[in-house]
Amino acid sequence: NAGVMQNPRHLVRRRGQEARLRCSPMKGHSHVYWYRQLPEEGLKFMVYLQKENIIDESGMPKERFSAEFPKEGPSILRIQQVVRGDSAAYFCASSPYIGSTDTQYFGPGTRLTVL
Amino acid sequence: DQQVKQNSPSLSVQEGRISILNCDYTNSMFDYFLWYKKYPAEGPTFLISISSIKDKNEDGRFTVFLNKSAKHLSLHIVPSQPGDSAVYFCAASEGGTSYGKLTFGQGTILTVHP
Repeated sequence: NAGVMQNPRHLVRRRGQEARLRCSPMKGHSHVYWYRQLPEEGLKFMVYLQKENIIDESGMPKERFSAEFPKEGPSILRIQQVVRGDSAAYFCASSPYIGSTDTQYFGPGTRLTVL
Repeated sequence: DQQVKQNSPSLSVQEGRISILNCDYTNSMFDYFLWYKKYPAEGPTFLISISSIKDKNEDGRFTVFLNKSAKHLSLHIVPSQPGDSAVYFCAASEGGTSYGKLTFGQGTILTVHP
């Protein structure tokens, strides 16, 4: 049973470009969380999605950031017009049911560098 | 506003001795606490958790203690092994309608020397 997959593992973008980060949850998991880790900080919650629904996006910046989890395919975190402050590690986690805490399985992360 | 704090950025311990990692929180609505371990270039891995109705939970070499009145929890690793060297994150959840949203501390780098 493959774990949570994230790609790309490393992404370099210039200021003003778009970044698309993908997350494939574990098989059988229909709940996806995105977290961001800035340098020297802990992970910070961004958004929680179920298939085709955004449940909680209270941690998402209001502008430039969006997330989706379509019926088919991976979850996508999209950052438009990236700025240097967006440079961070972005982690996706999946869980088998709603409200899960200790059964959130994390992917290896995507390290975004904005030049 | 840092609701979960790990005030020690790093900890160095000799193999075989006890490692004690500490975590403080400010949000009294937190009712579930977790510890994660993270190696470089990997995602966090769940270690152990504790509900606010308990004050201790044990799993092998790992024990988590919760002091609700002090809003403090700690992770004890006994005996420590070199393979335990990693970054340890404390995390908390409010339960209920938090949908499992986790609030993390900044992490403590544990180094276990052979």
